[in-house]
Amino acid sequence: AQSVAQPEDQVNVAEGNPLTVKCTYSVSGNPYLFWYVQYPNRGLQFLLKYITGDNLVKGSYGFEAEFNKSQTSFHLKKPSALVSDSALYFCAVRDKQTGTYKYIFGTGTRLKVLA
Amino acid sequence: DADVTQTPRNRITKTGKRIMLECSQTKGHDRMYWYRQDPGLGLRLIYYSFDVKDINKGEISDGYSVSRQAQAKFSLSLESAIPNQTALYFCATQSPSTETGELFFGEGSRLTVL
Repeated sequence: AQSVAQPEDQVNVAEGNPLTVKCTYSVSGNPYLFWYVQYPNRGLQFLLKYITGDNLVKGSYGFEAEFNKSQTSFHLKKPSALVSDSALYFCAVRDKQTGTYKYIFGTGTRLKVLA
Repeated sequence: DADVTQTPRNRITKTGKRIMLECSQTKGHDRMYWYRQDPGLGLRLIYYSFDVKDINKGEISDGYSVSRQAQAKFSLSLESAIPNQTALYFCATQSPSTETGELFFGEGSRLTVL
């Protein structure tokens, strides 16, 4: 079965420090991987995606993610965290196997950036 | 104006009542989705539609129904609401121009069933 895991419910980081939000996946074949962010009282917003090619993907607001096929991971990173980055982050994988193009979401990781 | 609009944004209702959540979009996308968000569970797919004549059940469709009235409109109904349907509901669209396209979400509809 296809699945996505975000092992940390919450990540705390000091402003200016690098941040990492972890995501691992289990899918058949090659995955399409996504990161979304949800600010309070808002819908999810797309941050970045990995489709193919370069394992390091750059996205919005200075975020990037590294695809690691051997570790089946797609961790979200940012070199220097901002207080405004505090939000709920979701990893998602596109289910290509069944051909229905459904997305499978992780349970979310709450990021708190402390001033 | 938002590209994906959900109404109502907040609703409190009683057990047994029928509730409709509406979604409209101006993105011109054929694919539309309804998700439910619960703390610690992430987003779970309720129903999805790839065009006006296409309706598909997601992983948690029991107790819900949908209607795709037009390309731009996709409504979610709870025929007889129960307390464990209290959740935040999201509508999303997706461009079919590429199978790798991301989802575009509405602002959410918070439903409380007493």
